[in-house]
Amino acid sequence: DAGITQSPRHKVTETGTPVTLRCHQTENHRYMYWYRQDPGHGLRLIHYSYGVKDTDKGEVSDGYSVSRSKTEDFLLTLESATSSQTSVYFCATTGRNNEKLFFGSGTQLSVL
Amino acid sequence: AQSVTQPDIHITVSEGASLELRCNYSYGATPYLFWYVQSPGQGLQLLLKYFSGDTLVQGIKGFEAEFKRSQSSFNLRKPSVHWSDAAEYFCAVGARDDKIIFGKGTRLHILP
Repeated sequence: DAGITQSPRHKVTETGTPVTLRCHQTENHRYMYWYRQDPGHGLRLIHYSYGVKDTDKGEVSDGYSVSRSKTEDFLLTLESATSSQTSVYFCATTGRNNEKLFFGSGTQLSVL
Repeated sequence: AQSVTQPDIHITVSEGASLELRCNYSYGATPYLFWYVQSPGQGLQLLLKYFSGDTLVQGIKGFEAEFKRSQSSFNLRKPSVHWSDAAEYFCAVGARDDKIIFGKGTRLHILP
């Protein structure tokens, strides 16, 4: 849709290990978002970015950090993964006026 | 802080019946409002959006939504549902220069 690639698509890791999820976009979109989706909770915003090196916390940012050193890449890092971070993670972008979210295909993360 | 409430976790309607899904939001300024749909195992698809102007918004698949500022609501409607409408529906609120937040979703079940 908007040239968004998430990697990896699936990951299984152990409690306490660091994990980095990558989102790459090819549309030069300004805004980028990381959401997690869990049954009964909908999509919850973790962090978002409104430009290179400009990021802010969302609703559930504890235990997560992000970086955006280039317009096209937005990285989400779990510093020390916990079982409560098992989830499906979606990256999304919007254009200049924040008028429509374009979603990546999601990353299924399992923390054992 | 902005927030979205979808009061109904599950809704069941008969095929051919009318549908209304409720969405209430909290936002300090004029919001951008969205409805997204997610079919099982699929990504999120934008149904419709409101930014300004006419408060009755038409979307894809025969859906419409009405923005009521006095009630802080943006309810989604469809005059006659089809079995293929069974999915989870998410309301979201944002703005031109602000993050986009989702509600917890309403799962729609269709009776034959």
